[in-house]
Amino acid sequence: GESVGLHLPTLSVQEGDNSIINCAYSNSASDYFIWYKQESGKGPQFIIDIRSNMDKRQGQRVTVLLNKTVKHLSLQIAATQPGDSAVYFCAENRVDTGGFKTIFGAGTRLFVKA
Amino acid sequence: DTEVTQTPKHLVMGMTNKKSLKCEQHMGHRAMYWYKQKAKKPPELMFVYSYEKLSINESVPSRFSPECPNSSLLNLHLHALQPEDSALYLCASSQVPDSYGYTFGSGTRLTVV
Repeated sequence: GESVGLHLPTLSVQEGDNSIINCAYSNSASDYFIWYKQESGKGPQFIIDIRSNMDKRQGQRVTVLLNKTVKHLSLQIAATQPGDSAVYFCAENRVDTGGFKTIFGAGTRLFVKA
Repeated sequence: DTEVTQTPKHLVMGMTNKKSLKCEQHMGHRAMYWYKQKAKKPPELMFVYSYEKLSINESVPSRFSPECPNSSLLNLHLHALQPEDSALYLCASSQVPDSYGYTFGSGTRLTVV
């Protein structure tokens, strides 16, 4: 069935290094993608988004890349800090019979080693 | 105000109880959502409200009953729940029910005993 999934369930990086979190999606009709960060005891927090007419978007220390040919999404975090430790979800916004909805992928836990 | 506020933060209820979860936002968002999240799993969509009308129900059992009294409030009424319904219930909102990122609350941690 249709899904949004991640290649790696956990990722451990050294403080100051760059992190790359990957995501694969299967619904080629999806046109909007979002990365969320969820810290323990909190709800998901919007990080960055990208629409299907773009292949790259940059924010503060974060970059999202979209490869529609292979249906792949990635989140790059520059100079990873201990505060970046969290679970990261990619999400896909798609149209259903009732309207738009956002479906989350499985998630990747990022550990930042000091 | 840029927050989604959920109450209560924790709730323990018996299988014969009736309780309600509340969600409030004052950002002028016209779409609101309920998600359910089990431990170490992604949030799963339950309901979508668009301009105060229920637009999507992801085949959720009738023991969960959503309500949107006005554009700022979203409730989830619970009745005759099962222990497997124990989870973190997240409320979210977005400007309109279209391709926009969501603002999530911190959730209600529900335990059914």
